Amino acid sequence: NAGVTQTPKFRVLKTGQSMTLLCAQDMNHEYMYWYRQDPGMGLRLIHYSVGEGTTAKGEVPDGYNVSRLKKQNFLLGLESAAPSQTSVYFCASSLPTGGSLYEQFFGPGTRLTVL
Amino acid sequence: SQQGEEDPQALSIQEGENATMNCSYKTSINNLQWYRQNSGRGLVHLILIRSNEREKHSGRLRVTLDTSKKSSSLLITASRAADTASYFCATDGLSTSGTYKYIFGTGTRLKVLA
Repeated sequence: NAGVTQTPKFRVLKTGQSMTLLCAQDMNHEYMYWYRQDPGMGLRLIHYSVGEGTTAKGEVPDGYNVSRLKKQNFLLGLESAAPSQTSVYFCASSLPTGGSLYEQFFGPGTRLTVL
Repeated sequence: SQQGEEDPQALSIQEGENATMNCSYKTSINNLQWYRQNSGRGLVHLILIRSNEREKHSGRLRVTLDTSKKSSSLLITASRAADTASYFCATDGLSTSGTYKYIFGTGTRLKVLA
């Protein structure tokens, strides 16, 4: 099993450009998440999905859109990149267990720089 | 501010010593988890403790939870150079929309000197 994979690993954008980050998991997990990690701020949840075709906003959703067309994939889009979106982006997945969230499995991250 | 906040922000110890990290949170939780992150890598789950548990062990890891103080501690015994990493606590909680979500702390950077 590959677990959680992310593409690309690195990307440099100019302000105003758009891009899509792809996350894929082969563990048949229902839940998937996108986080951003900035120095000294831990991980902040951008968007998440509790199943195919459903998405929900996290703590810092502005400037991002997501789609979950297939259970194994979760896409994060930046329509018009801004320097404030320079960060490391992590995707994660987990099984649902009742109403509470359990162990999350993380991808290796995508380092995005917006100039 | 973050739901979970770790203390200290950075810790440097000698190999063989014990390392203790603390996490404080603000709202009621169902469970608290600790994760480890090696430099430039994704997070890896270490241990989960439920709100009705007070202590849990896993190998050289010992986690305690005090729900009355809204705090948890992670103890790594007999530390090794390979334990050098950042450690994060994560709590589940309710978002403003009423759905569950994870909240990660800001992390403790542990450096174990050989």
